[in-house]
Amino acid sequence: DTGVSQDPRHKITKRGQNVTFRCDPISEHNRLYWYRQTLGQGPEFLTYFQNEAQLEKSRLLSDRFSAERPKGSFSTLEIQRTEQGDSAMYLCASSFVGNQPQHFGDGTRLSIL
Amino acid sequence: ILNVEQSPQSLHVQEGDSTNFTCSFPSSNFYALHWYRWETAKSPEALFVMTLNGDEKKKGRISATLNTKEGYSYLYIKGSQPEDSATYLCASYSGAGSYQLTFGKGTKLSVIP
Repeated sequence: DTGVSQDPRHKITKRGQNVTFRCDPISEHNRLYWYRQTLGQGPEFLTYFQNEAQLEKSRLLSDRFSAERPKGSFSTLEIQRTEQGDSAMYLCASSFVGNQPQHFGDGTRLSIL
Repeated sequence: ILNVEQSPQSLHVQEGDSTNFTCSFPSSNFYALHWYRWETAKSPEALFVMTLNGDEKKKGRISATLNTKEGYSYLYIKGSQPEDSATYLCASYSGAGSYQLTFGKGTKLSVIP
C-alpha cells in the first residue's frame, strides 16, 4: 500500500493556461474525491467518483473544472482558462464505499501568475 | 451546504498540558462526523469517524465525543506533546444520500516544548 499519490506537487502557470493534475488512489479503494483548500480554510469538496462514475459535483464548481476517472483507477482534474482565484492546494483522497475514513494525498499546490 | 464551525481557531499550549477543541454542525439530517489531523507539509490523516449520539472514541492520548442531538463534538488531547502540533479538522456529511464532506476551518494547535 503506497498511499494516495498526486502529481505534480507544485504547478506554476500563467493566467489563462490549462492545467491538469493526476491522482493515484489506494488501489483497493472504490471512491475517489477531489478537494480544494485555500489559506485559512478547510478543504472544500469539488467532486467524487465511485469506480469510474462521477456521482457528485459541487454546485459551486465552475464549468472550467472537469474531472475524469476513466478506468476506475487514477483520476485527473483539469482546470481550463485558469484565473487568479484558482490558486490553491488541490487535494485528492480515496476510501472504501460507505462511511469510511478518507486517505489523502500530499496535494498539488497551484500558483497562478 | 452545511455550516461546520470549529473553535478556537488556534491554540498554544505547553508540553504536558491537556487541551480540547470544539466542532459544531447542524444536528438535522446528521449522518457522520470525521476528525482529521493535518501536520504541516504532510497530508491530512484520519483520526476518527463517528456516527452515534454519545459515541466516544480513543486513539492513544487523543479522544473524541459526539452529541448529535445538539450538534457538537469535542476532541481531547491528554498530555500534549510537540508532535501533536497540527491543524485538527472536523467534517460532516450533509446526509440524504450525499457523500459530500463539509470541513470546518480547523483548529491550529501549537505545543510549546
